[in-house]
Amino acid sequence: GAVVSQHPSRVICKSGTSVKIECRSLDFQATTMFWYRQFPKQSLMLMATSNEGSKATYEQGVEKDKFLINHASLTLSTLTVTSAHPEDSSFYICSAGGGLAGTNTGELFFGEGSRLTVL
Amino acid sequence: AQSVTQPDIHITVSEGASLELRCNYSYGATPYLFWYVQSPGQGLQLLLKYFSGDTLVQGIKGFEAEFKRSQSSFNLRKPSVHWSDAAEYFCAVGADSVIKAAGNKLTFGGGTRVLVKP
Repeated sequence: GAVVSQHPSRVICKSGTSVKIECRSLDFQATTMFWYRQFPKQSLMLMATSNEGSKATYEQGVEKDKFLINHASLTLSTLTVTSAHPEDSSFYICSAGGGLAGTNTGELFFGEGSRLTVL
Repeated sequence: AQSVTQPDIHITVSEGASLELRCNYSYGATPYLFWYVQSPGQGLQLLLKYFSGDTLVQGIKGFEAEFKRSQSSFNLRKPSVHWSDAAEYFCAVGADSVIKAAGNKLTFGGGTRVLVKP
């Protein structure tokens, strides 16, 4: 299957700093990427939908100024947690779906996840 | 809006025994249904999916799932569990129109954690 890579897999930062997480589709072009947040022993909560070349669509309750999403190319989306605080500590997972016309299989491909710890 | 319920939070099975994980969905039209597996600290891997056609779907690692429209269910089964099947399993539903528009927005269930006893 298609490969989606996230980097970094783990990051520890001090409160008040910003952290950027990258999500790359390695062998296909993703018109749409999704960012999820997962708390320990809980399900995935969709944060936002990232569309290449346009602004991200945020889910209700997600602060768009705190979680900046950029999808500058068909293979890369980034999530920046700005002015991070301990309550932002979580497991962040990206997924990619929707290839170019005729290639959309309806399947989402997930990255390995990035664990953020804010001290 | 669609929703997914996985009634069982934890299931413990003995190695070699059969496994069934329940999934119930709520959606007004024909849903696209998925089962994903997540190992600790990892992303999600697709086990199988149902779009249309045969309601019994075969997936990877010996898993299968059956779509029952009358019961709004998509239960996952495996005849004989291996220790490596210990993981978290998520059922997800997507809206047909969203997927065809290249936006695969899925709604996930709460997950079922499977523990395998030797």
